[in-house]
Amino acid sequence: EAGVVQSPRYKIIEKKQPVAFWCNPISGHNTLYWYRQNLGQGPELLIRYENEEAVDDSQLPKDRFSAERLKGVDSTLKIQPAELGDSAVYLCASSGGAVGAFFGQGTRLTVV
Amino acid sequence: AQSVTQPDIHITVSEGASLELRCNYSYGATPYLFWYVQSPGQGLQLLLKYFSGDTLVQGIKGFEAEFKRSQSSFNLRKPSVHWSDAAEYFCAVGANDMRFGAGTRLTVKP
Repeated sequence: EAGVVQSPRYKIIEKKQPVAFWCNPISGHNTLYWYRQNLGQGPELLIRYENEEAVDDSQLPKDRFSAERLKGVDSTLKIQPAELGDSAVYLCASSGGAVGAFFGQGTRLTVV
Repeated sequence: AQSVTQPDIHITVSEGASLELRCNYSYGATPYLFWYVQSPGQGLQLLLKYFSGDTLVQGIKGFEAEFKRSQSSFNLRKPSVHWSDAAEYFCAVGANDMRFGAGTRLTVKP
């Protein structure tokens, strides 16, 4: 069974440019998460989806970040415009219930 | 609000020695607790989880953790550490809304 797939693995952009990350969760998992992990820190939840509905986006900086999960399967996280402080690893995870989440390998974003 | 504290930022142990990583949590109800491991450049891998029942849970790679409600703790243990265990370890609490600690970096000395 395929795990959580994220792309790209690495992205380098100039500040003020837009960037998008893609995530395909494990088949059948209704819950999808986007986390941000800064260097030397634990993951911080940005947004959680139950199917296509964003049920927790309280930590998502809505002035520049947006996310969507059309059809309740794969998801896209966008930043526009990117700032230097957005440099981090963006992790996607999915869950099929209260059994813990399964993570993708992440996208390492560097904003220069 | 739920939260997790991992008091040790960095721990060094010798190969073959025992290991205990500490985790304290704050949660309003019966917690769902997890330990994840992250190797450099990789995503997080689930080691073990606790929902209810036996307070000593077994996980993959020879790890175990014990839930102690009175101490609000969920410490991770391994009797004999291998060099390949060197990684970052994260404790997490919550069901659908998992919150992570800051992590403990484990170094294994030969």
